[in-house]
Amino acid sequence: QKEVEQNSGPLSVPEGAIASLNCTYSDRGSQSFFWYRQYSGKSPELIMFIYSNGDKEDGRFTAQLNKASQYVSLLIRDSQPSDSATYLCAVTSHGQNFVFGPGTRLSVLP
Amino acid sequence: DTEVTQTPKHLVMGMTNKKSLKCEQHMGHRAMYWYKQKAKKPPELMFVYSYEKLSINESVPSRFSPECPNSSLLNLHLHALQPEDSALYLCASSLAGDYEQYFGPGTRLTVT
Repeated sequence: QKEVEQNSGPLSVPEGAIASLNCTYSDRGSQSFFWYRQYSGKSPELIMFIYSNGDKEDGRFTAQLNKASQYVSLLIRDSQPSDSATYLCAVTSHGQNFVFGPGTRLSVLP
Repeated sequence: DTEVTQTPKHLVMGMTNKKSLKCEQHMGHRAMYWYKQKAKKPPELMFVYSYEKLSINESVPSRFSPECPNSSLLNLHLHALQPEDSALYLCASSLAGDYEQYFGPGTRLTVT
């Protein structure tokens, strides 16, 4: 059974701080990793994807992948109240479908 | 443009009704998906179409019937649903199976 785990939260950070969201996965053959943001009552919105070990930056967001540790994280710099949402980690292997984690609820406090 | 559209936005139906959900994308994506999402849970995969052929049916009850008329369009036909089928139904598409998926806004379904 392929599993993706995330802390359910809520993770609370003050405005302007760095929010760090973590995700671990069980399938060592996983190749592609995705972060989605979902506001309450809305659909998931793709934030970032990462395929290779290391860091990938896009604006205030940085995804970090460590395949040896089976760990992927999302850092949000200068967190804003508008970043308050549930963040879903999704993992896939070649030819397989997405496996979603349960999501981490982030609350950015003004 | 990474837009996936879904209609209707909201749907209320009785347990004896027949209705359909529609999903459309014009990104040239060859994989399309139906997900069901309950409150405070991640999306749950229902069906996958790859190159207009049903490739995965995750043991979904037969009261849900998918259809892919062409590469841009995906339907989900609903019949004799149960109240526990009330959920947000999400459509997504991707270039191919391993690529990032783009979600539509969803249809909020209530079965009475």
